[in-house]
Amino acid sequence: DAKTTQPNSMESNEEEPVHLPCNHSTISGTDYIHWYRQLPSQGPEYVIHGLTSNVNNRMASLAIAEDRKSSTLILHRATLRDAAVYYCILAPGGTSYGKLTFGQGTILTVHP
Amino acid sequence: EAGVAQSPRYKIIEKRQSVAFWCNPISGHATLYWYQQILGQGPKLLIQFQNNGVVDDSQLPKDRFSAERLKGVDSTLKIQPAKLEDSAVYLCASSFIPGANEKLFFGSGTQLSVL
Repeated sequence: DAKTTQPNSMESNEEEPVHLPCNHSTISGTDYIHWYRQLPSQGPEYVIHGLTSNVNNRMASLAIAEDRKSSTLILHRATLRDAAVYYCILAPGGTSYGKLTFGQGTILTVHP
Repeated sequence: EAGVAQSPRYKIIEKRQSVAFWCNPISGHATLYWYQQILGQGPKLLIQFQNNGVVDDSQLPKDRFSAERLKGVDSTLKIQPAKLEDSAVYLCASSFIPGANEKLFFGSGTQLSVL
């Protein structure tokens, strides 16, 4: 499975935008880019996903590079409740049944 | 909409004992996953079901772990006998159908401590 590289940790201030980067240089044409986050003592929570075009939803925006070798998750106004581990994952298409392989993720700390 | 239900929330056992975890996915979700999350690591897929059939169990330690989803709805994951290294959170997830364009819904997990 293609792998992703994320910073181990990032910090932000409340009400400021947060840009979480992810590198996936070995991405294949059918891989979807997924982001999940995990709050303490909870299971992972879906945030957003996309294939080629940028995506927006109520939680965040996903900016995908034109060559698809990197992407950025954007939280427009961080709140204390956004403090979590954020996982960038490639979900392979084809016959792999969309298997998600989690890495270490980025620990986001939000300061009041 | 009800989420993925898991029980128990916590379990403490001695090594070499057996333990079972239960998962009820979101209604109508055909695909069910069991993940193992060791402290400080990301979740690792153990097994994936499509309805009541297994589509991926390549990372399931089959000498001690077993899982079933007999009626294509709820599922049970069993460990027998447990080892110290099995201490982890066991997460169940479900999706409407399998596929890279589908999102997964996770339960809160069962935290297992093996002493």
